[in-house]
Amino acid sequence: QKEVEQNSGPLSVPEGAIASLNCTYSDRVSQSFFWYRQYSGKSPELIMSIYSNGDKEDGRFTAQLNKASQYVSLLIRDSQPSDSATYLCAVISPRGTYKYIFGTGTRLKVLA
Amino acid sequence: NAGVMQNPRHLVRRRGQEARLRCSPMKGHSHVYWYRQLPEEGLKFMVYLQKENIIDESGMPKERFSAEFPKEGPSILRIQQVVRGDSAAYFCASSPPASPVGYEQYFGPGTRLTVT
Repeated sequence: QKEVEQNSGPLSVPEGAIASLNCTYSDRVSQSFFWYRQYSGKSPELIMSIYSNGDKEDGRFTAQLNKASQYVSLLIRDSQPSDSATYLCAVISPRGTYKYIFGTGTRLKVLA
Repeated sequence: NAGVMQNPRHLVRRRGQEARLRCSPMKGHSHVYWYRQLPEEGLKFMVYLQKENIIDESGMPKERFSAEFPKEGPSILRIQQVVRGDSAAYFCASSPPASPVGYEQYFGPGTRLTVT
């Protein structure tokens, strides 16, 4: 079982719809979670961090964390073609050196 | 406030040569992380350093690869005797001191290494 799992996609949504990206993690004691966006040929860009159960909103983005079920999701409201990118979920490994563990990413396509 | 800086942005090396990649962290950040990414693949952790100290090098190949973050100057990832399989994008990220509670990593633009 991978430590951080994401569906590779592509996830296709029409412009204006809500895109829902999901991520599950294996270590129950993980506390810190992050979403990055990576455009093709570019570096990852931090979108959201979330540390507590529940929702955290920032503009069109909402991160949702459910520690009991060990998943974290990212909702993108009013999706735009410019949101088309790969979205990476990351979790701080709670054991050892507290480095990030990245999922392999979900490719999102927003169709105009 | 400048972000994470990496140079060169593109590097071409012939097989057998050495590649030296540099990373300057964001101001106020004392921790640096190196990742490798092959085309259409995920980020692979290589090494985590703080000034003058390697914290975690569990993702780094045992041979030909080394990393340092000296007291003064940028962090350097060195690849000796490069092979075609080393062709990839190498990203550096930086953060304030890591803690189990949480810390945010910010990425540089990357160095694209091509081995011919």
